[in-house]
Amino acid sequence: SQQGEEDPQALSIQEGENATMNCSYKTSINNLQWYRQNSGRGLVHLILIRSNEREKHSGRLRVTLDTSKKSSSLLITASRAADTASYFCATDAGGTSGSRLTFGEGTQLTVNP
Amino acid sequence: DTGVSQDPRHKITKRGQNVTFRCDPISEHNRLYWYRQTLGQGPEFLTYFQNEAQLEKSRLLSDRFSAERPKGSFSTLEIQRTEQGDSAMYLCASSRGGQPQHFGDGTRLSIL
Repeated sequence: SQQGEEDPQALSIQEGENATMNCSYKTSINNLQWYRQNSGRGLVHLILIRSNEREKHSGRLRVTLDTSKKSSSLLITASRAADTASYFCATDAGGTSGSRLTFGEGTQLTVNP
Repeated sequence: DTGVSQDPRHKITKRGQNVTFRCDPISEHNRLYWYRQTLGQGPEFLTYFQNEAQLEKSRLLSDRFSAERPKGSFSTLEIQRTEQGDSAMYLCASSRGGQPQHFGDGTRLSIL
């Protein structure tokens, strides 16, 4: 079963606007990661935030993590048409799990030129 | 870094047939993972190897599924007596230690 839920399921915006996606999870985590998937392709790692971090930036990406609410958000600023893809959060429970990832159901982002 | 390679990219087979997929991880990665992804869903964990040892298997991995990683290099995933419900994208990923996983482009399996 999936770890959590992502919100919204689909998001359509204009180029240049910001896109925010949210993710909730259920169990304790070692870290939370965001991945991107273009149609018919594999997943590409975007950013990792550890359980003791609250915010992290990478280029146009900003991720927040609230472990008390078991939630995370991904903000993409100044979006481009090339950002059109599905975005997934994934949790790593650490410990003996071998860093296997538990994914959410994803947000389909469409950026209109 | 040549990336994770999966073969074939697409497989169409009749129900009841056996299929085998191959994954070649990034060469220095000691961990290898298999996931299954159905349309509109996130990937679901199937199994995980550290070097040649299969350390964990999901309950999703029924007796019809078997995975191997001889010599700790490439891995194969075999599905015996395929069923309609096996239709999915099968994704392989590799990593070194606790580093982020690198995914291949997957094998899309269609059962007729």
